[in-house]
Amino acid sequence: QVQLQQWGAGLLKPSETLSLTCAVSGSSFTNYYLSWIRQAPGQGLEWIGENNHAGSATYNPSLKGRVTISVDTSKNQFSLKLTSVTAADTASYYCARSIWGRHPPSFFYYYMDVWGKGTTVTVSS
Amino acid sequence: SSELTQDPAVSVALGQTVRITCQGDSLRIYFASWFHQRPGQAPTLVFYGQNNRPSGIPDRFSGSTSGNTATLTITGAQAEDEGDYYCNSRDSSDNRGVFGTGTKVTVL
Repeated sequence: QVQLQQWGAGLLKPSETLSLTCAVSGSSFTNYYLSWIRQAPGQGLEWIGENNHAGSATYNPSLKGRVTISVDTSKNQFSLKLTSVTAADTASYYCARSIWGRHPPSFFYYYMDVWGKGTTVTVSS
Repeated sequence: SSELTQDPAVSVALGQTVRITCQGDSLRIYFASWFHQRPGQAPTLVFYGQNNRPSGIPDRFSGSTSGNTATLTITGAQAEDEGDYYCNSRDSSDNRGVFGTGTKVTVL
């Protein structure tokens, strides 16, 4: 059974760097992507970005170069770093396993089937 | 466009059928996936691909797609189906992930 366990600092000051880690157990690291998603209080879900074991990362342009998702295949872990945080980055942050590919002849499929429990991050001076 | 648009809220009588729609250009080439979220909990995948339910998800959940619209149907809604539902896809232009605006489902 695949499980994602996540951890990291929950209280930050403005301008600090958010750092979260997600450990994958029960599954190989290959054949899927690892994603981060966040949800501000009372708001909807926001896709932050993803990476895979080969280092093929994609990020949400709205985060303007502040975000890095790295993968440590030796530890089956992946990490999120978000620099220069502000109060607008206050949210619950989730890691998730993502799977996507072609559905011939002309469609693609994409889904996140396993999620971490979430980490609440508050940015306050 | 990267937007996925959902109705903000729908209500359904216990045991009746409710349809939740998601509109966006990317749905012309990506099957939507659907998530259910209860307050204070992580989202749970309830439907994905052309016709797939994860293990443990009741068969009252089904999905379909037509043109730029994906639909999640709950046939015989139960009290535990209350919560927020989000569709998810990838932007067909820059390949990033994108979530729908969310629909709050109330079971009366």
